[in-house]
Amino acid sequence: GAVVSQHPSWVICKSGTSVKIECRSLDFQATTMFWYRQFPKQSLMLMATSNEGSKATYEQGVEKDKFLINHASLTLSTLTVTSAHPEDSSFYICSADSRRGSSYEQYFGPGTRLTVT
Amino acid sequence: DAKTTQPPSMDCAEGRAANLPCNHSTISGNEYVYWYRQIHSQGPQYIIHGLKNNETNEMASLIITEDRKSSTLILPHATLRDTAVYYCIAGGASGGSYIPTFGRGTSLIVHP
Repeated sequence: GAVVSQHPSWVICKSGTSVKIECRSLDFQATTMFWYRQFPKQSLMLMATSNEGSKATYEQGVEKDKFLINHASLTLSTLTVTSAHPEDSSFYICSADSRRGSSYEQYFGPGTRLTVT
Repeated sequence: DAKTTQPPSMDCAEGRAANLPCNHSTISGNEYVYWYRQIHSQGPQYIIHGLKNNETNEMASLIITEDRKSSTLILPHATLRDTAVYYCIAGGASGGSYIPTFGRGTSLIVHP
């Protein structure tokens, strides 16, 4: 199946600094990528939808100036957490669309665990 | 996307079949049923999806009722490594993209 990678797999940063997370589709081109956040013992929560070459669409309650998303190519989307605070500590997961026939399959990255101290 | 309902937890013995139900009574005619699973501290893994017909792949089988209001994911010979949270999602109209919206899923524990 299609492979999606994320880098880094985990990161620890100090409060007030910014962190960039990369999401790559390794063997397919993804017009659309998605970013999720998951807190302990909770389900995945969609943060934003990222389309190549256009601005991301953010879910209600997600600050677009804090979570900067760039989708510069069909294989790369980045999420930058700006001025991170401890409450931003979470598991961040990206996914990418891969069309198969008349339907789509979503492939997810392994996730990035962010800890803000 | 149609709302789905799953039991919060299930368990089964290693080597036995695990049958995970999902209710999606409000699914529309052109929406698919997707199944994913998430092993602890990993990203979700795609398992299988279907529209009307039953589907089978190397991981699992998907049985969709004739009225499409419910489905069952079958892991024919569960192993300890199948312990995970399983998510059933209804969405993605035929020919269109969709955004998976995750509920709480079913936590499956496979025991020796």
